[in-house]
Amino acid sequence: DAGVIQSPRHEVTEMGQEVTLRCKPISGHDYLFWYRQTMMRGLELLIYFNNNVPIDDSGMPEDRFSAKMPNASFSTLKIQPSEPRDSAVYFCASSPRDRGFGELFFGEGSRLTVL
Amino acid sequence: GQNIDQPTEMTATEGAIVQINCTYQTSGFNGLFWYQQHAGEAPTFLSYNVLDGLEEKGRFSSFLSRSKGYSYLLLKELQMKDSASYLCAVRDLGSGYALNFGKGTSLLVTP
Repeated sequence: DAGVIQSPRHEVTEMGQEVTLRCKPISGHDYLFWYRQTMMRGLELLIYFNNNVPIDDSGMPEDRFSAKMPNASFSTLKIQPSEPRDSAVYFCASSPRDRGFGELFFGEGSRLTVL
Repeated sequence: GQNIDQPTEMTATEGAIVQINCTYQTSGFNGLFWYQQHAGEAPTFLSYNVLDGLEEKGRFSSFLSRSKGYSYLLLKELQMKDSASYLCAVRDLGSGYALNFGKGTSLLVTP
C-alpha cells in the first residue's frame, strides 16, 4: 500500500503569497491530521478530520489558515496570506479507526519557507 | 491539554543501553505512543502503551505508569542508525483521536 502522499515536498514563497499544501491519506483510513513542526514548538496539531468532517480546528493559528477535505482521498491546507513565521515543516497523517493501536501514519512532509 | 516533558538531548555509545524518559499530565489518559524521527524524515511509529507495564519489541521496549504519569523508551544494543529524535505522544479523551506530542529527545549514538 502506498503511504500518505504530500505535495509539494518543498516550497519557497514570498510573504503575502498564497500557499496550498496537499495530502492524500492511506486508503481506508478514517482520520486525517495536519501537524506543523518547528524547532521551537515541536509537532503541533493544527486540525483533524474524521470521515471528511473537521473535528477539532483549535490548533489553527489564525484566520489565514484554512483546511478542507472534499473527499476521503484528498485534503488541502491553505495559508493566505503567508508570513515568514509560517515557515515550518507541515505533516499530514492518517489513521484507521478500530485497527491496530490507532497510530498515526505520517507523510514525508512539506517544507515551507516564507521569505 | 497535556504537558509532555522529555529531555532535549541525550548521547550514548554504540552497543550500550539508553533510557529516554517522558512525563505527562492529562485529564483523560487514553494511550501513550513513541515515535522515531530521523533528520529530514517523517515520524514513524515505535510503540504503544495503554496499560501499566512493559511492552517489548526487539531492541526497543516501552514502559508506562499511569499513576505516575510516566513512560520510558528503552533502547538496547544501540546502533549508529538509532541516532534520531524520539517523540513521546499522548492521546487524551478530551482531545478526541489526535495525539499531542512532546518536543522530542534528540539521541546521538557515538562510536
